[in-house]
Amino acid sequence: GQQLNQSPQSMFIQEGEDVSMNCTSSSIFNTWLWYKQDPGEGPVLLIALYKAGELTSNGRLTAQFGITRKDSFLNISASIPSDVGIYFCAGLLRDGNKLVFGAGTILRVKS
Amino acid sequence: DGGITQSPKYLFRKEGQNVTLSCEQNLNHDAMYWYRQDPGQGLRLIYYSQIVNDFQKGDIAEGYSVSREKKESFPLTVTSAQKNPTAFYLCASRRTGGFYEQYFGPGTRLTVT
Repeated sequence: GQQLNQSPQSMFIQEGEDVSMNCTSSSIFNTWLWYKQDPGEGPVLLIALYKAGELTSNGRLTAQFGITRKDSFLNISASIPSDVGIYFCAGLLRDGNKLVFGAGTILRVKS
Repeated sequence: DGGITQSPKYLFRKEGQNVTLSCEQNLNHDAMYWYRQDPGQGLRLIYYSQIVNDFQKGDIAEGYSVSREKKESFPLTVTSAQKNPTAFYLCASRRTGGFYEQYFGPGTRLTVT
């Protein structure tokens, strides 16, 4: 199937630091979604992006739909302990009707 | 409260037995999905349904079956033909008509021994 490369694979950061993660592909996407998953729970939708270049915020989270439509970025500012979890990107291919998921970024926060 | 429910949270079965996982939504969403999640991997699509009485195979449908007799319900059966059924199973739903955000249930962890 189509590949989404999500990086970094994991991060261990100090509380209060900013966090950046991204997803890239060689394919063009029409939609990007970012999810957070706590251990043993279902993913929760954080941000949805529908237009190339779009920048959307949700509290301390900001996500961008890359201008090439092949990538997306998620930033978390001033991280706190409850930010720990796995962050997934998901994209809808230009010619598809199914989401493609990245492998996830594991975020750990030192308090 | 609108949402997606999956039951049970934990399920244990012996090898060779079929098992059915429940997924119910009261969001009035047309489309429903089943994903499998293994440690360190992204979500892989098993089956999806965009309308009642219709469903399509995803990327890893072998050894699984589904039905969609009601809009609210999309049960998944893990058959004895599935070679490695132990995993975390997630159900999701979404509105159709240009909206692609999928909303997930809490998941069912299936352990087959």
